[in-house]
Amino acid sequence: EAGVAQSPRYKIIEKRQSVAFWCNPISGHATLYWYQQILGQGPKLLIQFQNNGVVDDSQLPKDRFSAERLKGVDSTLKIQPAKLEDSAVYLCASKGRDYEQYFGPGTRLTVT
Amino acid sequence: GNSVTQMEGPVTLSEEAFLTINCTYTATGYPSLFWYVQYPGEGLQLLLKATKADDKGSNKGFEATYRKETTSFHLEKGSVQVSDSAVYFCALVSGTYKYIFGTGTRLKVLA
Repeated sequence: EAGVAQSPRYKIIEKRQSVAFWCNPISGHATLYWYQQILGQGPKLLIQFQNNGVVDDSQLPKDRFSAERLKGVDSTLKIQPAKLEDSAVYLCASKGRDYEQYFGPGTRLTVT
Repeated sequence: GNSVTQMEGPVTLSEEAFLTINCTYTATGYPSLFWYVQYPGEGLQLLLKATKADDKGSNKGFEATYRKETTSFHLEKGSVQVSDSAVYFCALVSGTYKYIFGTGTRLKVLA
């Protein structure tokens, strides 16, 4: 079974630029998560989808971050405009019927 | 709200030493508890889990017991190896499948 795919793996941008991350979950997984992991901290949930609907986006900075999951499969997370404090690893995870989450390798974003 | 507290690292041990990483939680209801491991440059991998009180999760020599009376889920291993060097995260999940992670504990095992 293929795992969770993410791209790109690394991205360097200047502040005020925009960036987009892509995630393809494990086939058949209805629940998809985007997390932000700042160096030395645990993952922080940004948004949780169930199929193509949003379950929880309470910690998503909606003035600059947006996410979509059209057709309930792959998902895109966008930041516009980026700030220095957005430098982090952005993790995507998906969940099947049980409690177990499966994580992708992450995208490391550096904002200069 | 729900939360997870882990012991701060880094934890540095010699090979074959005994490992304990403490984790306590605050939650309403009956959460499921997890330990995830993150190797350098990789995403998180599930190490073990426990879904109800007194359950013991185990994998690759690691164990943790879900203690409802002390709201704890401490990770233990009897004999660590250099390859166990990684960051370990304790986590819980509530009824809406929202996961809460601890801040992580870095383990360094010296040969």
